[in-house]
Amino acid sequence: EVQLVESGGGLVKPGGSLRLSCAASGFTFSSYNMNWVRQAPGKGLEWVSSISGSSSYIYYADSVKGRFTISRDNAKNLVFLQVNSLRAEDTAVYYCARTLLGATTPPGYWGQGTLVTVSS
Amino acid sequence: QSALTQPRSVSGSPGQSVTISCTGTSSDVGDYDFVSWYQHHPGKAPKLMIYEVSKRPSGVPDRFSGSKSGNTASLTISGLQAEDEADYHCCSYAASVVFGGGTKLTVL
Repeated sequence: EVQLVESGGGLVKPGGSLRLSCAASGFTFSSYNMNWVRQAPGKGLEWVSSISGSSSYIYYADSVKGRFTISRDNAKNLVFLQVNSLRAEDTAVYYCARTLLGATTPPGYWGQGTLVTVSS
Repeated sequence: QSALTQPRSVSGSPGQSVTISCTGTSSDVGDYDFVSWYQHHPGKAPKLMIYEVSKRPSGVPDRFSGSKSGNTASLTISGLQAEDEADYHCCSYAASVVFGGGTKLTVL
């Protein structure tokens, strides 16, 4: 069974940083692209970043480019999102999601999310 | 890239059918058959219900169906059940990944 468990969220002041982690199990981790998707309070889902299985391809939403960094550790089945220079509008539940099948398939399996609150 | 446009809310009675629309542009929804739909109960993980416009992952009931016409994709839920009450999000995952604003489905 595919399982994704996020951690690392919390309350942080504007300009602060956090490192979000996602522990994966139940599948061959290195074979799948991974994504981070967030949902701000009362808003829809917003794709944040994606990383290919070998880390060769990395993409970011314009809203986080230059501030967020995605990475993965295939030996430990972990994917990370380093979030820097946080703003109030980054307040959201951050979800880790695995593509359903190959690279051209959508996020198919999701974790339950970790809450990031940016407030002074 | 702009978010896809969904109605904020829809409702229906048990046993009825409802359709949720998702409007994009000729650069995303209209140009590719890479549209997916997610069911999201608050506090839970989103669940993939439809991908590639009309395909259902294993385990998703055939009460859920997807279609597309031009720049608008649609999710139809037939035989509404109380447990279908949730938020539904569409997604275009062609050149980039973009979601709709979400639609709250209320089962009356």
